[in-house]
Amino acid sequence: GNSVTQMEGPVTLSEEAFLTINCTYTATGYPSLFWYVQYPGEGLQLLLKATKADDKGSNKGFEATYRKETTSFHLEKGSVQVSDSAVYFCALTRTNTGNQFYFGTGTSLTVIP
Amino acid sequence: DTGVSQDPRHKITKRGQNVTFRCDPISEHNRLYWYRQTLGQGPEFLTYFQNEAQLEKSRLLSDRFSAERPKGSFSTLEIQRTEQGDSAMYLCASSGADRNTGELFFGEGSRLTVL
Repeated sequence: GNSVTQMEGPVTLSEEAFLTINCTYTATGYPSLFWYVQYPGEGLQLLLKATKADDKGSNKGFEATYRKETTSFHLEKGSVQVSDSAVYFCALTRTNTGNQFYFGTGTSLTVIP
Repeated sequence: DTGVSQDPRHKITKRGQNVTFRCDPISEHNRLYWYRQTLGQGPEFLTYFQNEAQLEKSRLLSDRFSAERPKGSFSTLEIQRTEQGDSAMYLCASSGADRNTGELFFGEGSRLTVL
């Protein structure tokens, strides 16, 4: 079946620290991979995506590379800010259906000044 | 605001009552999804519409749950005879016709509390 496993939180970092949130997936076929972010009091919104192996998604200083050999899509940022405090969800969808998105359990990040 | 809107934002009800949530997607989006999210978990897929047709339903969606999208625009999710286990955030999302984009646009959710 299709599933996503992501690193459990919560994660607390100091401003300007390096961030990694691990995500691995199980999927049949060729999934597209996503990171969604949920800021306090807001709905989920797309942060970045990658649709095929070796693609790198990037946005707002965050990056993630689609690694088919390790079935991973780890989220990284070189220098976090207080405004990055949010819950981050890794997700996948299969490109040949595109109907269901499978989400991880979410990782809460708090960045302290 | 032209994003996905959901109503009501919060609903508190007693066990056994019926509740209905409404979702207005982004106007040009033909796909509409309902998800359920409980504390500490990611969103779980419930059902999916393409235009007015309900194309997929999760096994999570018991016969007490029904969803409609009568004119291919807004959608309603009804829960009959609510149970305490139904307490959750119900999320609506929409997406456009371009399957390759793959981006879901989420509303802020409707939080249900069943006493």
